[in-house]
Amino acid sequence: AQTVTQSQPEMSVQEAETVTLSCTYDTSESDYYLFWYKQPPSRQMILVIRQEAYKQQNATENRFSVNFQKAAKSFSLKISDSQLGDAAMYFCAYRRAGAKAAGNKLTFGGGTRVLVKP
Amino acid sequence: DTGVSQNPRHKITKRGQNVTFRCDPISEHNRLYWYRQTLGQGPEFLTYFQNEAQLEKSRLLSDRFSAERPKGSFSTLEIQRTEQGDSAMYLCASSGIWGDSRYGYTFGSGTRLTVV
Repeated sequence: AQTVTQSQPEMSVQEAETVTLSCTYDTSESDYYLFWYKQPPSRQMILVIRQEAYKQQNATENRFSVNFQKAAKSFSLKISDSQLGDAAMYFCAYRRAGAKAAGNKLTFGGGTRVLVKP
Repeated sequence: DTGVSQNPRHKITKRGQNVTFRCDPISEHNRLYWYRQTLGQGPEFLTYFQNEAQLEKSRLLSDRFSAERPKGSFSTLEIQRTEQGDSAMYLCASSGIWGDSRYGYTFGSGTRLTVV
């Protein structure tokens, strides 16, 4: 079974600074997707960034970027120029590739709370 | 497109009562997922539908839980004889057939269940 581990329960960052969130995962599959989701307090979960395992290039979305190390099974998220609106729970998630029935569910880590100090 | 809608937003029930939650996915999405999230934890997969067919159920889904998606549109999740351990946020998400569009899965705001 696949597992996703986020070892940092909480991270604090000064506004405009950079913070990096860690995620490791365990899988025997070679083709899969990795995601970072953001869940603000009392609000719905939204996708921040995703990475296809077959792509060597790290994904970027504006101020968000990832460091994907496939051999190490590591997938960290870097938030640059942190803003007050970035304060939220961040979840790392894994999904097997393909459209088969068992391959489409997301497996989440336990989450990292990001606090942004003004 | 109004996103994924879940009702009610909050539900407080007495132990032993039955509760039912509803999820209305994005209309063109044929896959629908239910997850459970306890306080301070990541969401855990419960079950998923492709159209009206329930294709996978987690071992977390005990016999007291049942989910339906009649006609492949909205879905309901029922919990019978609720227990305090059922207290959690129940999340619904939907996706197109590949589930890997640029925007990933679309989640609803969840139904928070409190069993007293």
